[in-house]
Amino acid sequence: GESVGLHLPTLSVQEGDNSIINCAYSNSASDYFIWYKQESGKGPQFIIDIRSNMDKRQGQRVTVLLNKTVKHLSLQIAATQPGDSAVYFCAENIGDAGNMLTFGGGTRLMVKP
Amino acid sequence: NAGVMQNPRHLVRRRGQEARLRCSPMKGHSHVYWYRQLPEEGLKFMVYLQKENIIDESGMPKERFSAEFPKEGPSILRIQQVVRGDSAAYFCASSPPAGKETQYFGPGTRLLVL
Repeated sequence: GESVGLHLPTLSVQEGDNSIINCAYSNSASDYFIWYKQESGKGPQFIIDIRSNMDKRQGQRVTVLLNKTVKHLSLQIAATQPGDSAVYFCAENIGDAGNMLTFGGGTRLMVKP
Repeated sequence: NAGVMQNPRHLVRRRGQEARLRCSPMKGHSHVYWYRQLPEEGLKFMVYLQKENIIDESGMPKERFSAEFPKEGPSILRIQQVVRGDSAAYFCASSPPAGKETQYFGPGTRLLVL
């Protein structure tokens, strides 16, 4: 699920299946990561976050995994529903570089009923 | 509890005109961020402001773009003499004043330059 420029990578899943969306981040100094969901015509909506002192965090139906060794982040959605269809972005906050977020290119999740 | 508010939601300008985008942060938030998004792309950071202070404007184009967050009222992103390449969705986010916290986004302003 990394950025590929103008064409978003797409993940198509069956309703009820689990979804895994991946993200590779660039900076080893990043210490805070957020997953956002963006539906068409709307702003990014916070899903879940994780700080670099953790490798896993769970929310309601979502789990974020952080692998600092390979600079990889994943978002797992359990029992995917049609309402989960959206573009998902990971964002990283780089340690001492202030509060700006650097976004990945996004992955489009399509849920088939 | 109102979220981040942005207006207008849609803005059409002709080349050479000025665009003013407004953002009201969530209640209790004193940090505001502006990002720009082109179609099918991720958001790109532009500027980070606190009340009456620009903290980081490393993502702002050097010319024609400016931002402010006055003591009273919303944050304003101002684009002078717009060009077609300025057409994009502009999102504002806000966060609480304590350290590194989650940024919550508004619905965005979609700017179209004719």
